[in-house]
Amino acid sequence: EPEVTQTPSHQVTQMGQEVILRCVPISNHLYFYWYRQILGQKVEFLVSFYNNEISEKSEIFDDQFSVERPDGSNFTLKIRSTKLEDSAMYFCASSLGTKGLEKLFFGSGTQLSVL
Amino acid sequence: GESVGLHLPTLSVQEGDNSIINCAYSNSASDYFIWYKQESGKGPQFIIDIRSNMDKRQGQRVTVLLNKTVKHLSLQIAATQPGDSAVYFCAEDAGGGSYIPTFGRGTSLIVHP
Repeated sequence: EPEVTQTPSHQVTQMGQEVILRCVPISNHLYFYWYRQILGQKVEFLVSFYNNEISEKSEIFDDQFSVERPDGSNFTLKIRSTKLEDSAMYFCASSLGTKGLEKLFFGSGTQLSVL
Repeated sequence: GESVGLHLPTLSVQEGDNSIINCAYSNSASDYFIWYKQESGKGPQFIIDIRSNMDKRQGQRVTVLLNKTVKHLSLQIAATQPGDSAVYFCAEDAGGGSYIPTFGRGTSLIVHP
């Protein structure tokens, strides 16, 4: 069964450093998403991406965050200057078809630890 | 603001019992509801969905019930197995033209053998 893959599974970084989290969505999917989950809390939406541009973003997704689809397969989340409170599990997801009521397929996540 | 929430943070059941996980939602504009299962160390996994024009939908060992009158969603798992142990999230679309799933806090289901 096709799946969303994320690398690395765990990323440790120093406060103020830049990190890039990588994702390979399911190949025929058109919508891509980043969510995050702080330990013990709910899964929070960050951003959605379609047709090479951001379609929606949450208040969490401020100027220190950016997303990119650098080629036909990868989808990345960059955090420019990490803060302690950015420590969380970051999930990438993708969905098939046009914007609408679609189920999302999630990757296994990247655990980001900011020291 | 409007939100999705769960009544019970933890549910413990014996293997073979039926489980019911409940979810309250407050966004009357939501058209689509999904249940996700999250096992330890993994991302959320789709279980079953239901649209607002339905009140019940069945899958393999799972049933989702939607009561729009009281804005309540439930997930029923028949003959619960140890492999069902996980955190279960209900999610709704945000409404107002946004179809981004908004997650509730989650209920931890613990199945005792």
